[in-house]
Amino acid sequence: EPEVTQTPSHQVTQMGQEVILRCVPISNHLYFYWYRQILGQKVEFLVSFYNNEISEKSEIFDDQFSVERPDGSNFTLKIRSTKLEDSAMYFCASSEEIWGSPIYFGEGSWLTVV
Amino acid sequence: QKEVEQNSGPLSVPEGAIASLNCTYSDRGSQSFFWYRQYSGKSPELIMFIYSNGDKEDGRFTAQLNKASQYVSLLIRDSQPSDSATYLCAVNTANFGNEKLTFGTGTRLTIIP
Repeated sequence: EPEVTQTPSHQVTQMGQEVILRCVPISNHLYFYWYRQILGQKVEFLVSFYNNEISEKSEIFDDQFSVERPDGSNFTLKIRSTKLEDSAMYFCASSEEIWGSPIYFGEGSWLTVV
Repeated sequence: QKEVEQNSGPLSVPEGAIASLNCTYSDRGSQSFFWYRQYSGKSPELIMFIYSNGDKEDGRFTAQLNKASQYVSLLIRDSQPSDSATYLCAVNTANFGNEKLTFGTGTRLTIIP
């Protein structure tokens, strides 16, 4: 069964450093998303991406964050100048269509900022 | 603020019984609704999705949607110990043309052998 894959599964970084989280969405999917889940809290929407553009973003997704589709298969989330409060599980997700199709999540990248 | 509310539980159900999970949402314009299962430390796994009022069945799972009452539920029949997990209700709260899931806090379900 096709799945969303993410790397790395776990990353520890020092405060102030830049981090890139990588994702390979399901191959025929056109819509891509990043969500995050701080330990013990809700899953929160960060950003949605379609046709090489951000289609919607949350208040969390400020100038510290950026997304990119550098080639035909990868989808990345860059976090500049990481803060302690960025420590969370980051989930990539994808869907086939913009509405009416299910959204599938990857296994997540656990980011720890120290 | 568009909200999705779930009883956090824990909800304990004997093995073989029906587990009933409930969710209410505040955005009357929401059109699509999802149930995910999340094991501790793992990612959300899609269980069911529903768009129309009424019931939708898939194996042991039934999703029920009532848009007038802004209520969505998940029934799990013949509950198994492997069903023990946190169940997340998610609602598409984006404007038309986008997908943005707003999640509830989840209901922790324990199936008692």
